[in-house]
Amino acid sequence: GAVVSQHPSWVICKSGTSVKIECRSLDFQATTMFWYRQFPKQSLMLMATSNEGSKATYEQGVEKDKFLINHASLTLSTLTVTSAHPEDSSFYICSASRDRNSNQPQHFGDGTRLSIL
Amino acid sequence: DAKTTQPNSMESNEEEPVHLPCNHSTISGTDYIHWYRQLPSQGPEYVIHGLTSNVNNRMASLAIAEDRKSSTLILHRATLRDAAVYYCILRDGAAGNKLTFGGGTRVLVKP
Repeated sequence: GAVVSQHPSWVICKSGTSVKIECRSLDFQATTMFWYRQFPKQSLMLMATSNEGSKATYEQGVEKDKFLINHASLTLSTLTVTSAHPEDSSFYICSASRDRNSNQPQHFGDGTRLSIL
Repeated sequence: DAKTTQPNSMESNEEEPVHLPCNHSTISGTDYIHWYRQLPSQGPEYVIHGLTSNVNNRMASLAIAEDRKSSTLILHRATLRDAAVYYCILRDGAAGNKLTFGGGTRVLVKP
């Protein structure tokens, strides 16, 4: 089946550090990828839609200068949390879809647990 | 986005069926009904989806009401590994196919 790989699985770093998370679709080309954030005991919240070859579309309230998204190829999207602070600590999850068709399921990575000290 | 309503939690005994309801009274004609589940400390996993007709796959069955305002996910024989949060989501092609997650139903399976 389709596999989405996310790296790293967990990160612990100091406040002020920038952290890059990678999301790869391993066996299909993903024109669209999505980035979510999940706080403990809460549901997933969509942060942005990553489009290959164009700018990401951010959800309301998500700072695009804080969360930089790059989708340089059909198999890789990256999320960089710039100058991370403790309030950015969360579980970040990406997903990928084969195409824009709403009949196609999204395939999720296993998430990256980010802890900012 | 059309919203869904699910019970917060459900309990089931191992080896018994589980019926998870979902209400989506404001569904539009082009919305697909998707179900995902999330095990602890993992990303969500696709379970099943449908538009109008009932659907079956190796994981579950999806029963869709004739008016499409509700649906039920059926796990035929629950196992301990089915303990997870199950999300019912309407996927709107006009909105870029993004998924909007609600609270989901936390399923507890008792041995």
